Amino acid sequence: EVQLVESGGGLVQPGRSMKLSCAASGFTFNNYDMAWVCQAPKKGLEWVATISYDGSSTYYRDSVKGRFTISRDNAKSTLYLQMDSLRSEDTATYYCARRRARDYFDYWGQGVMVTVSS
Amino acid sequence: DVVLTQTPVSLSVTLGDQASISCRSSQSLEYSDGYTYLEWYLQKPGQSPQLLIYEVSNRFSGVPDRFIGSGSGTDFTLKISRVEPEDLGVYYCFQATHDPWTFGGGTKLELK
Repeated sequence: EVQLVESGGGLVQPGRSMKLSCAASGFTFNNYDMAWVCQAPKKGLEWVATISYDGSSTYYRDSVKGRFTISRDNAKSTLYLQMDSLRSEDTATYYCARRRARDYFDYWGQGVMVTVSS
Repeated sequence: DVVLTQTPVSLSVTLGDQASISCRSSQSLEYSDGYTYLEWYLQKPGQSPQLLIYEVSNRFSGVPDRFIGSGSGTDFTLKISRVEPEDLGVYYCFQATHDPWTFGGGTKLELK
């Protein structure tokens, strides 16, 4: 059974950093691209970043470029999102999702909440 | 950035009715490989999103055939025939043709 379990969220002050993790199981992790999608409270979904199956390519939405870094450890079947210089507008639930190439997100984690506030 | 405009924003239906959601793109979503990377997701209350349709009209594994995706270029539609209780929630279209990838604003399907 495919499982994606996010962790690492919580309350953080503006300007500080936080690192999210997504532990994957039930599939061959290094065969799939992975992504982060976020959802601000009571708002819609927003794509954040994608990383290729081997970590060689990364893509970001403009509002997080230079502040967020997506990475992966295929030996540990774990996806990461390093979030620096956090802003109040980064407050959201962050979902980890498996991406089948350019085709679709077929599995999603349960989400982890990040609150940026002083 | 590609803007996906979903209409209506909310849709009230009676169980058993048909529902139709539109997703209009600011640019053609046909990719250079000939495919159109337009997907539909449903987010049920309190849950993570789930995939319904990919590449405009392909139903994902396990998705009932009452969900029908169609369209091309810039205009896309998701039809749900015979709405059932488990279909309620927020529907999102999503494009992965152009960087950055973008979601539509969502359409909330609720009971009348």
